[in-house]
Amino acid sequence: QLQLQESGPGLVKPSETLSLTCTVSGGSISGSSYYWGWVRQPPGKGLEWIGSIYHSGFTSYNVTLKSRVTMSVDTSKNQFSLELRSMTAADTAIYYCVILPIDYSIINWGQGILVTVSS
Amino acid sequence: QSALTQPPSASGSPGQSVTISCTGTSSDVGGYNYVSWYQQHPGKAPKLMIYEVSKRPSGVPDRFSGSKSGNTASLTVSGLQAEDEADYYCSSHAGSNLPYVFGTGTKVSVL
Repeated sequence: QLQLQESGPGLVKPSETLSLTCTVSGGSISGSSYYWGWVRQPPGKGLEWIGSIYHSGFTSYNVTLKSRVTMSVDTSKNQFSLELRSMTAADTAIYYCVILPIDYSIINWGQGILVTVSS
Repeated sequence: QSALTQPPSASGSPGQSVTISCTGTSSDVGGYNYVSWYQQHPGKAPKLMIYEVSKRPSGVPDRFSGSKSGNTASLTVSGLQAEDEADYYCSSHAGSNLPYVFGTGTKVSVL
């Protein structure tokens, strides 16, 4: 079964760029027909889709974040990454990497990483 | 794009049933049969419980069922058990510009 693990800083300063990586185990990113994505959840609040990427590099981003988001995939390392620029306190959240099949569900989630934006 | 609307809370006694609604528009819930439901226990990642409106992934008890009528989807939990106490979120496809829109979340309590 495919498993996901997020890695990255737990604390980011305002205006800086967040960089997160998701490592996939139990299967190959390039060998599957899934999309790979990021979802975030501010503490005590609901879920928000950030964006998705296919192993070919095709991306789709939430329009509300599109100007600040870049996602990439490294098939040689079986990883995909998220970059979110110009961080503010409103970006404080648990960031989950996820697996996205074609039925628009989310079949698997990483454990999540809490990212706090603070000086 | 606004979040889908769910009641903030729902509750039931053990053995009873509880139904959670998820209201959207013809651009999301009403326009596609791609409604999913997720269960989230405190401090844990969400877990897929229902996909494509009414399908259950392997391992999800048949006490969980989903349906849709017009712009409103519903999740019913029958035979409530203590471990069903959690937050539940719906999600719908809303077109190529917004593949995933989530609901506001419902906290289910088992009395």
